[in-house]
Amino acid sequence: QQQVKQSPQSLIVQKGGISIINCAYENTAFDYFPWYQQFPGKGPALLIAIRPDVSEKKEGRFTISFNKSAKQFSLHIMDSQPGDSATYFCAASKKMLPDGQAGTALIFGKGTTLSVSS
Amino acid sequence: DGGITQSPKYLFRKEGQNVTLSCEQNLNHDAMYWYRQDPGQGLRLIYYSQIVNDFQKGDIAEGYSVSREKKESFPLTVTSAQKNPTAFYLCASSSHRTPLTQYFGPGTRLTVL
Repeated sequence: QQQVKQSPQSLIVQKGGISIINCAYENTAFDYFPWYQQFPGKGPALLIAIRPDVSEKKEGRFTISFNKSAKQFSLHIMDSQPGDSATYFCAASKKMLPDGQAGTALIFGKGTTLSVSS
Repeated sequence: DGGITQSPKYLFRKEGQNVTLSCEQNLNHDAMYWYRQDPGQGLRLIYYSQIVNDFQKGDIAEGYSVSREKKESFPLTVTSAQKNPTAFYLCASSSHRTPLTQYFGPGTRLTVL
């Protein structure tokens, strides 16, 4: 119930194409769904995030689609560029302490390695 | 320059030795975390700390220990009890105002020889 399942494991997309990465979860207590981008040898960086009361969120070329009833969410990268080549992780949060306390645990998917060919 | 620093970037250890990984943040964040990353495994939580002098075990705490004597520092010790310590270790932090947003350091790659 604490898992977040991510697919595909790897993805190759032509420059200008759309990259789509999918995640699914079981625990309905999860209340925050971020996506992180990681370049080789670096720490992950927050890319975009969504709450379950919203079905879609867009920031530039990056869009999260969220389906609460199916317990699935996905990242769409429009007009994919070679600079987008990285590993992408979806995650879901669970609260560790009551409201007002700092910090929350993130449960990560296993990651998707995206390669955008020029 | 605000951020999270981890040192060293690369660390080599002989079997049976304890080793301590450093994590420092100057973001004035309340919470700090340690994750382990293995190829194809995502990130798994080792320990986390909400406030100074307090910390809790994550999902894979066995063979690790931490301390939180200062708000800005959260060192991780990989003990000889950790059976498979070779991995990429990531430290993160979050603030009380935005607890859901975790900021990550650049990581330490530990290799056991």
